[in-house]
Amino acid sequence: NAGVTQTPKFRVLKTGQSMTLLCAQDMNHEYMYWYRQDPGMGLRLIHYSVGEGTTAKGEVPDGYNVSRLKKQNFLLGLESAAPSQTSVYFCASSYSAGEQFFGPGTRLTVL
Amino acid sequence: GEDVEQSLFLSVREGDSSVINCTYTDSSSTYLYWYKQEPGAGLQLLTYIFSNMDMKQDQRLTVLLNKKDKHLSLRIADTQTGDSAIYFCAVMNRDDKIIFGKGTRLHILP
Repeated sequence: NAGVTQTPKFRVLKTGQSMTLLCAQDMNHEYMYWYRQDPGMGLRLIHYSVGEGTTAKGEVPDGYNVSRLKKQNFLLGLESAAPSQTSVYFCASSYSAGEQFFGPGTRLTVL
Repeated sequence: GEDVEQSLFLSVREGDSSVINCTYTDSSSTYLYWYKQEPGAGLQLLTYIFSNMDMKQDQRLTVLLNKKDKHLSLRIADTQTGDSAIYFCAVMNRDDKIIFGKGTRLHILP
């Protein structure tokens, strides 16, 4: 049981490049989330999903898109990366609206 | 919307008790959580408490909830070097969304 995994672990992008972060969970959870963590800002919710085929905006959705085509996967896309998107990105999943299980994080630097 | 506040830093001597405090604004919050984040890792749930409870104890951890003051605390007894981490308070609001505080960095002094 791998829990929540994230790919890649590290990435460096140039401004304007695009990329997709992959989150996978093997716990059959309905809910999945993408957060970003910045120093002094705590965790901020970017987008979330309450089930396969659904997505919703969180607190800081601008500049990001998501897709949940399969229940076990939640993808976070950056179409045109900006330096302000330099951050550590965490994916999480939960069975319902309760306890969330977190992945190990992806450290993204945008130059 | 819901706001969750916690102090950013706490220093404690090894062997002493650590008390991390959290305040929140939504009085209808149902579940309240404490997560731990070790360096370079994701968050891990430490413990949680239902809003109809005042206290929950789990080995070295004690959670106290004061609903009237909307105050949650986490006490770690006999603090060890392995307890050095960032501790996040999190609260489920009336829309079933979990709101996280900014985290308290616990530093252990020898």
